[in-house]
Amino acid sequence: NAGVMQNPRHLVRRRGQEARLRCSPMKGHSHVYWYRQLPEEGLKFMVYLQKENIIDESGMPKERFSAEFPKEGPSILRIQQVVRGDSAAYFCASSPPNRYNEQFFGPGTRLTVL
Amino acid sequence: TQLLEQSPQFLSIQEGENLTVYCNSSSVFSSLQWYRQEPGEGPVLLVTVVTGGEVKKLKRLTFQFGDARKDSSLHITAAQPGDTGLYLCAGSNTGTASKLTFGTGTRLQVTL
Repeated sequence: NAGVMQNPRHLVRRRGQEARLRCSPMKGHSHVYWYRQLPEEGLKFMVYLQKENIIDESGMPKERFSAEFPKEGPSILRIQQVVRGDSAAYFCASSPPNRYNEQFFGPGTRLTVL
Repeated sequence: TQLLEQSPQFLSIQEGENLTVYCNSSSVFSSLQWYRQEPGEGPVLLVTVVTGGEVKKLKRLTFQFGDARKDSSLHITAAQPGDTGLYLCAGSNTGTASKLTFGTGTRLQVTL
């Protein structure tokens, strides 16, 4: 049973470019969460999605960041016009229905903005 | 804003020693999770505790949820080098079902 998959594992972008991070949840999991881990800081919640719906985006920066979880395919976290401060590890987690607190994490995407 | 403070922040011990990591908050959580994270990887879920006073054991690891559901502890018996890693507690509430609030982390190093 494959775990949460994220790609790419490492992503390098220049300032002003776009970054697209992908997440495929565990089989049978319908809830997806994105977290960000800044250097020397803890994990911070960004957004919670179910298929075709954003449930809670209270942790998302107001500008440049967006997330989706389409009916088919992986969840996407999109960062437009990246800045150096966006450099971080971005983790995706998934949970089974009705067990939202048991979140299983992927290996993360490490974004470096030059 | 709910905060989870972990102590100690760093811990370096020798193989065979026992240790306890604490996770404290002024807020009540409906459940609390413990994760271990290794460099370059995502957090791995170790346990979930949901009932005040609950104790769970996972081999040499013992997890306890405080009676008031504001704090938790992780005790490791006879630590091994394989226990090395970053230990994170994370709390969640039914009112904010989506979010995990993560603790500040305890970095453990176990040497031979």
